[in-house]
Amino acid sequence: DAGVTQSPTHLIKTRGQQVTLRCSPKSGHDTVSWYQQALGQGPQFIFQYYEEEERQRGNFPDRFSGHQFPNYSSELNVNALLLGDSALYLCASSFSGVIYNEQFFGPGTRLTVL
Amino acid sequence: KNEVEQSPQNLTAQEGEFITINCSYSVGISALHWLQQHPGGGIVSLFMLSSGKKKHGRLIATINIQEKHSSLHITASHPRDSAVYICAGGSNYKLTFGKGTLLTVNP
Repeated sequence: DAGVTQSPTHLIKTRGQQVTLRCSPKSGHDTVSWYQQALGQGPQFIFQYYEEEERQRGNFPDRFSGHQFPNYSSELNVNALLLGDSALYLCASSFSGVIYNEQFFGPGTRLTVL
Repeated sequence: KNEVEQSPQNLTAQEGEFITINCSYSVGISALHWLQQHPGGGIVSLFMLSSGKKKHGRLIATINIQEKHSSLHITASHPRDSAVYICAGGSNYKLTFGKGTLLTVNP
């Protein structure tokens, strides 16, 4: 049983470009949450997708958007990249997003913006 | 102000020592997660607590709901326990993370 997978593993972009990160949840999970982790900091919640809709959003600008597909996989899109967007992007999956349920994390995508 | 506060920020121990990492959280957090992150980024969920105590191998997690405080204990620490340990509070479908505790266990 595959756990949470993310692609790509690493990515280098330049300022102003756009990027798409992908996440496949653990089998049986239907909810995907995205987090941004800057170097030396704890992860920050970006948003959560459930039933193909954004259910909750953290304090991130509209440049950050997402999507969830019928197979529960998800994408995170970041437009007009800034140097400060350089971070590890983590996705976590769970069942129905109930916070009492354990969250399973993917290995992350490390984004570097030059 | 972060809703989840951890201490200490850094912790160095000798192999075999008993280790405690503390976490305080604010009102509105209804479940407390302990996570482990190794260099390179991968996060592993260790425990999810909403009451009481849980044990897995040498790891023990406790939570005091009245005091809004949780602790992660590691008994008989080993160099392979070296990692960042993060507590995260769950509320309204999202996790709010502490800044993490960097644990280094020396042989």
